Amino acid sequence: EAQVTQNPRYLITVTGKKLTVTCSQNMNHEYMSWYRQDPGLGLRQIYYSMNVEVTDKGDVPEGYKVSRKEKRNFPLILESPSPNQTSLYFCASSTSGQAYNEKLFFGSGTQLSVL
Amino acid sequence: GQQVMQIPQYQHVQEGEDFTTYCNSSTTLSNIQWYKQRPGGHPVFLIQLVKSGEVKKQKRLTFQFGEAKKNSSLHITATQTTDVGTYFCAAGYSTLTFGKGTMLLVSP
Repeated sequence: EAQVTQNPRYLITVTGKKLTVTCSQNMNHEYMSWYRQDPGLGLRQIYYSMNVEVTDKGDVPEGYKVSRKEKRNFPLILESPSPNQTSLYFCASSTSGQAYNEKLFFGSGTQLSVL
Repeated sequence: GQQVMQIPQYQHVQEGEDFTTYCNSSTTLSNIQWYKQRPGGHPVFLIQLVKSGEVKKQKRLTFQFGEAKKNSSLHITATQTTDVGTYFCAAGYSTLTFGKGTMLLVSP
């Protein structure tokens, strides 16, 4: 089944403890992206990648890192999480690098709480 | 990124009433996409509009793209409880930027 898989689904951590949220897609998509969703703020883009080894900042990249060493995986790294990074995170992918012209497939989300 | 403003932020209707959400941009858009997110779920692609003045229908849902390609709307005729969720528009050039969404609540 074609899908975007995120793990974990829920995560509770403490301030400063490094964590990684994994994202994998099995559709051979070139474009992948991370969004965070907060009440009243909608979906805001953190980072995106148009292809392997190519990553770019979105609208809210501070405090996050990403890597794209292989096409299928796009992990989101929080080196030193803070409470303001408590949010619902979504990974998404699309066929080509022209993300604006291609529909996005979303993962099921990761609810992160930083205490 | 591309800025798109969505209104209203929230709407509560009785089942059978119509619903419309609007998406506006200060600049011309190349295209616009619409997504639906059910409570507790993830956004799911509904449709993409590309042409000026384009109108597309999906059963009770009607999507329009403005003549100037600066605005779009999603209209739901005779809402049902299954329509509950948040509807997002999204636009951009190199990447997609989402509006803040319109949360629709439908009472039976």
